[in-house]
Amino acid sequence: KNEVEQSPQNLTAQEGEFITINCSYSVGISALHWLQQHPGGGIVSLFMLSSGKKKHGRLIATINIQEKHSSLHITASHPRDSAVYICAVALRSFGNEKLTFGTGTRLTIIP
Amino acid sequence: DAGVIQSPRHEVTEMGQEVTLRCKPISGHDYLFWYRQTMMRGLELLIYFNNNVPIDDSGMPEDRFSAKMPNASFSTLKIQPSEPRDSAVYFCASSASLGVNQPQHFGDGTRLSIL
Repeated sequence: KNEVEQSPQNLTAQEGEFITINCSYSVGISALHWLQQHPGGGIVSLFMLSSGKKKHGRLIATINIQEKHSSLHITASHPRDSAVYICAVALRSFGNEKLTFGTGTRLTIIP
Repeated sequence: DAGVIQSPRHEVTEMGQEVTLRCKPISGHDYLFWYRQTMMRGLELLIYFNNNVPIDDSGMPEDRFSAKMPNASFSTLKIQPSEPRDSAVYFCASSASLGVNQPQHFGDGTRLSIL
């Protein structure tokens, strides 16, 4: 069983819809990352969080440490949000250095 | 800020050849990471350095893989001899330090194809 599970694997939505991508993990962590990978392949770090919630523009990330679960929300989705979103955790036993990645959620926003 | 710079962007070579991937981290960043991404296994950490010193290379798949960081502004990942199963996208990333507010900055990756 993967230590990091993401759902859904693929998501297609209409422009303007509210998007939620979920990430569950099975071990103790020191931090959780949300990454965005565009069709061209580049990877951008969106959020790092260890508790609570963070917001950047239309993106919101939340984490519940007790439930070992995080969500990434996109409000008023736009075609340019189409990308693969990857959840990664820094395992507590290794500190913040070593990331274990989910398999990603491929998001497609249709105009 | 130029970001993390990787070269080459694409590499196609024949099985058995030596392959060298290069990375220039963001100036001032103390941590450098090498990752591999494949369709089957997704993103995997291969090795990371702190202040030019390799800290954890447990993700390096075989002795055919080696990584060096001779100074703070340059790192290489070498595969010798290369095999078709090494075909993947290899990413380099750097971060200023560890901690919740220090993200990793990724390069654009090197797409490696071993024929």
